Amino acid sequence: EIVMTQSPATLSVSPGERATLSCRASQSVSSNLAWYQQKPGQAPRLLIYDTSTRATGIPDRFSGSGSGTEFTLTISSLQSEDFAVYYCQQYDNWPFPFGQGTKLEIK
Amino acid sequence: QVQLVESGGGVVQPGRSLRLSCAASGFAFSGYAMHWVRQAPGKGPEWVALISFDGSNKLSADSVKGRFTISRDNSKNTLYLQMNSLRAEDTAVYYCARDVRGYSFFDYWGQGTLVTVSS
Repeated sequence: EIVMTQSPATLSVSPGERATLSCRASQSVSSNLAWYQQKPGQAPRLLIYDTSTRATGIPDRFSGSGSGTEFTLTISSLQSEDFAVYYCQQYDNWPFPFGQGTKLEIK
Repeated sequence: QVQLVESGGGVVQPGRSLRLSCAASGFAFSGYAMHWVRQAPGKGPEWVALISFDGSNKLSADSVKGRFTISRDNSKNTLYLQMNSLRAEDTAVYYCARDVRGYSFFDYWGQGTLVTVSS
């Protein structure tokens, strides 16, 4: 079974700065990787799929890259509403696991 | 607009059963595969089960296999999760989610319903 590992667990960044979040798969998932944002008390929200395609309505400050086993979510200039928990998920193979999350907090 | 509304959660004793429902609106429900995803307190999401658009194909996680059954009623635009032999480790918020292109990632989620398994 594929295991998804995210780093760091917590990332402290100032508003306006860039944030880079990492996700590693224990084996290749090709480009079948999605990113979600979750705020307290809310369901996850799809940000990115197919490694780098933004979902409908997602601002272009969010970008994704990578392939195989190494993936990155970059937020180019952090806004106050971007502070949340971010999860990656692979959908190349059952059982479609998520990472454990990176909490993006205000520095 | 797309809406998914879960119901049926609550507090249940270990070994008992519960059935969750997810009412869908704002899209052609019968044309989409659907999923249940759960999230234990303080943890990342965990995929639970999927059902094809017409109900003919189902898949579930090993952690629930033989205990949970996913089903749907396209005439009622409703997704179900029958949960039997519940365990403490099944305690989580349960979300229904819409599949994208048959690829098992999720573009719309419900607000979730909390299931607590405790004696």
